[in-house]
Parts: sequence; structure tokens; C-alpha cells
Amino acid sequence: ETGVTQTPRHLVMGMTNKKSLKCEQHLGHNAMYWYKQSAKKPLELMFVYNFKEQTENNSVPSRFSPECPNSSHLFLHLHTLQPEDSALYLCASSQDRQGPGYNEQFFGPGTRLTVL
Amino acid sequence: AQKITQTQPGMFVQEKEAVTLDCTYDTSDPSYGLFWYKQPSSGEMIFLIYQGSYDQQNATEGRYSLNFQKARKSANLVISASQLGDSAMYFCAMRVVYNQGGKLIFGQGTELSVKP
Repeated sequence: ETGVTQTPRHLVMGMTNKKSLKCEQHLGHNAMYWYKQSAKKPLELMFVYNFKEQTENNSVPSRFSPECPNSSHLFLHLHTLQPEDSALYLCASSQDRQGPGYNEQFFGPGTRLTVL
Repeated sequence: AQKITQTQPGMFVQEKEAVTLDCTYDTSDPSYGLFWYKQPSSGEMIFLIYQGSYDQQNATEGRYSLNFQKARKSANLVISASQLGDSAMYFCAMRVVYNQGGKLIFGQGTELSVKP
């Protein structure tokens, strides 16, 4: 496996279900990200992990719970979601560093989530 | 406030012609980076081109070039000799310094359709 992988690619769940999205990066990066992409909206940054520490939480509802057990793996645990949470969830990684300048984020293929 | 604006929700271009996708940004940081990503219908985000705020020359990558006008705070993407495979969503993004590293702020995207 190369790059950034995400599983599952598609997920349908009821509002009372608990599920988890998984992201894995094989690039040796030190930062990982979760984004939400709803139809007709820009990508919304949800969580950032730099060096395994969560450094960003953009007022995301507590029904989304991230976990970063090591620098290669990132999870998004989902419970009691709402239909408006249906979206494409993208994971990304980068070799981040302090200061400005070039820092490309590499994206996974995304998980398309539908909440019934 | 740091913001990326893409004012063209949709664009059409004839195959083999050039097309310009607009992007304006707003930041008070003296150092920043600007990115363009392509998102086909399959969902993955593909990095196209990068421009640093201190770069003297406009970035080019194959058929992609970035028309960087710093005083106007614009970073338009130019695709030359459009191909049918260029049909996709295109996102402009800005990297801003944040905590120990940085984060990307995305625009709303432009949907490009290439006509045969």
C-alpha cells in the first residue's frame, strides 16, 4: 500500500449506530487531518494531529471522536450521528513543520457517509 | 480574517482550449502558501501546483500554471490545452501558519466541464 488509504469507502449507518472510519498513511508523515466535505461547500477542517497530539478541533460536535494511536493511523469514531452529517470524509497527511512555506497535504480517497 | 474565495461555481471550456479558474485570498500574514487541488468525481484530492508568497516567478507544472498577482491577492489557475480528463472540481487553498505547523483553508471550488 502506498500513499494515504481510507476504509471503508462507503458507509451507510442509522442514527443510533456506532462506527469508525480508518485512515492510514504510508508516507512517514508527522501530521494527519480529518476534513468534512458536504455538497456545495468547501472542505471543512475537523481535526489536526501534529506529532500525535491533537492541535485543532474546529468546534466539531462530540458525536465525532478522533483517535491517533501513532503517526501512521488516524480514526474517526462516530456515534448517534444526524442525517446532516452525511458527507464525504477525507483524511490527509503531511510532513508538517514550523513556519510558512511549501507543505503539501496528501489526501486519501475519502469515505462517503450516509446517515439514515 | 483568512479566507479563500472562488467566485466561479461552474465553468465550461472547449477541448484543447485554455481556461482560467479564479482564486482570491485574504490574509494578513506576510508568509503563506497557495495550492490548487483537483477533485475528480471519484473523490480523491490531487495536488496540482504550489506558489509561495515570496516566490518571484509564477509556478508552472506541465499544462498548469499559476497567475500570481500578490498586490491583488489573486492566484488564478491556468490550464492550457484542456483535455476531457480535466473535467473535475478544482479547489484553491492557502496554507497558514498555525501552532506548531500549518493548516489549509479551502475555497468553495469550481466545477470545470471540458466539452469535446
